[in-house]
Amino acid sequence: QKEVEQDPGPLSVPEGAIVSLNCTYSNSAFQYFMWYRQYSRKGPELLMYTYSSGNKEDGRFTAQVDKSSKYISLFIRDSQPSDSATYLCAMSAGNFNKFYFGSGTKLNVKP
Amino acid sequence: KAGVTQTPRYLIKTRGQQVTLSCSPISGHRSVSWYQQTPGQGLQFLFEYFSETQRNKGNFPGRFSGRQFSNSRSEMNVSTLELGDSALYLCASSLDSGTTLYEQYFGPGTRLTVT
Repeated sequence: QKEVEQDPGPLSVPEGAIVSLNCTYSNSAFQYFMWYRQYSRKGPELLMYTYSSGNKEDGRFTAQVDKSSKYISLFIRDSQPSDSATYLCAMSAGNFNKFYFGSGTKLNVKP
Repeated sequence: KAGVTQTPRYLIKTRGQQVTLSCSPISGHRSVSWYQQTPGQGLQFLFEYFSETQRNKGNFPGRFSGRQFSNSRSEMNVSTLELGDSALYLCASSLDSGTTLYEQYFGPGTRLTVT
């Protein structure tokens, strides 16, 4: 069993829709949670960073962490075609910069 | 501020050869991590360097090694290349202090093809 599970998609939505992306994990020691966006042939770009449980909002993006369920989510409001990319979740137990990544969900926002 | 840079961007090698990839972190960042990304396995952690010392290591064979220089630039080396080493190799840097402790910024990657 992988440490982090993420549905690979692809997920196709119309422009303006609310998108929900999710990851589950098995290691209860994970405390730091991140979401990255990766465009084709580019390196991942950090979108959101949260510590422990709770919500964090940044513009159209909201990250949620539910440690009791070992489940994290990223919501994208008013999705745009430019949001079309692969979204990766990553998490760490706090042992410096050793991160575990999900396999990524490919999102396609149709105009 | 310049981002993380990686050289070369593309590389083709044959089995049995060795390869060295280079990474220049964001100015002021002291931590450099390396990852391997493949369609089948996704992003996998190779190792992390901080102040010229390897601080963390993933589950890769000893053919994969790295080092960090005093200016925080880092190199990774893969010896005796195998076909399965074909991948995108990503470098990430972080300031590693204060509230930005775990904010990692990735470079564009080096695409390695082993034939």
